[in-house]
Amino acid sequence: QKEVEQNSGPLSVPEGAIASLNCTYSDRGSQSFFWYRQYSGKSPELIMFIYSNGDKEDGRFTAQLNKASQYVSLLIRDSQPSDSATYLCAPGSSASKIIFGSGTRLSIRP
Amino acid sequence: KAGVTQTPRYLIKTRGQQVTLSCSPISGHRSVSWYQQTPGQGLQFLFEYFSETQRNKGNFPGRFSGRQFSNSRSEMNVSTLELGDSALYLCASSLSRGGGTGELFFGEGSRLTVL
Repeated sequence: QKEVEQNSGPLSVPEGAIASLNCTYSDRGSQSFFWYRQYSGKSPELIMFIYSNGDKEDGRFTAQLNKASQYVSLLIRDSQPSDSATYLCAPGSSASKIIFGSGTRLSIRP
Repeated sequence: KAGVTQTPRYLIKTRGQQVTLSCSPISGHRSVSWYQQTPGQGLQFLFEYFSETQRNKGNFPGRFSGRQFSNSRSEMNVSTLELGDSALYLCASSLSRGGGTGELFFGEGSRLTVL
C-alpha cells in the first residue's frame, strides 16, 4: 500500500463549480495534513493545512480531515481557470519526513 | 526576504559522471529537504537535513548523498549517473524539521538531464 494515495486525474470541473480532491494515507501517526498546489513548470506551494478532525475554511478552499478513516480532502468552491494545477496531499508528523501523494491534476473548463 | 535558491537551474551530464546541486534556504530556516520529481513517480523524498545532520532518508541508492553546512546551505551529490536520474531536483526549506509543520518552501529546482 502506498503511503499516500490520490486519484491522478485529470479531474475536469466547469468554471464556477465545486472541485473535490481526495487523499488517503496509511500512517496513523500523521498529525498534520497539507495541501500543496503545483502549476505546470513551477514548484509546489502550500495552500492549506489542517491538524484537527473536521473542516477548515480559507476563502474558497475548505480542507476536511477524518483521522479515523485516514482521509483528507480539499474542496475548491467557485472554481476558476487559475485553479487549474496539480494538487498534492502531504501528511506529516514531527518524527517523520513529508511524503507527498502523486497528485491530482485539476482542469477547470470555461 | 529572499526565497530558496537552487543552482544550477539546468544541467546536462552523461552516464557515469557525477553531479553536485546546491540549495540556499530562506534566511533563518534550518531544515532543508531534497526531492526528486519525475512525470512517472511524482515527488519522491530523498533526504532531510537539520542542523547539519541528516534526519531522514528516502529509498534511494547510496549514489545519492547530501550534506548541510553550518550556514544551513545544503548540497546533494549523485555519483555514477544513470539515465533514470534525469529529473527535476527540488530543495525545500522550513523553520523547523519538515515533518513538524509541513510548511515547506520550495526552490525553483535543478533540472538534470543525463545522456
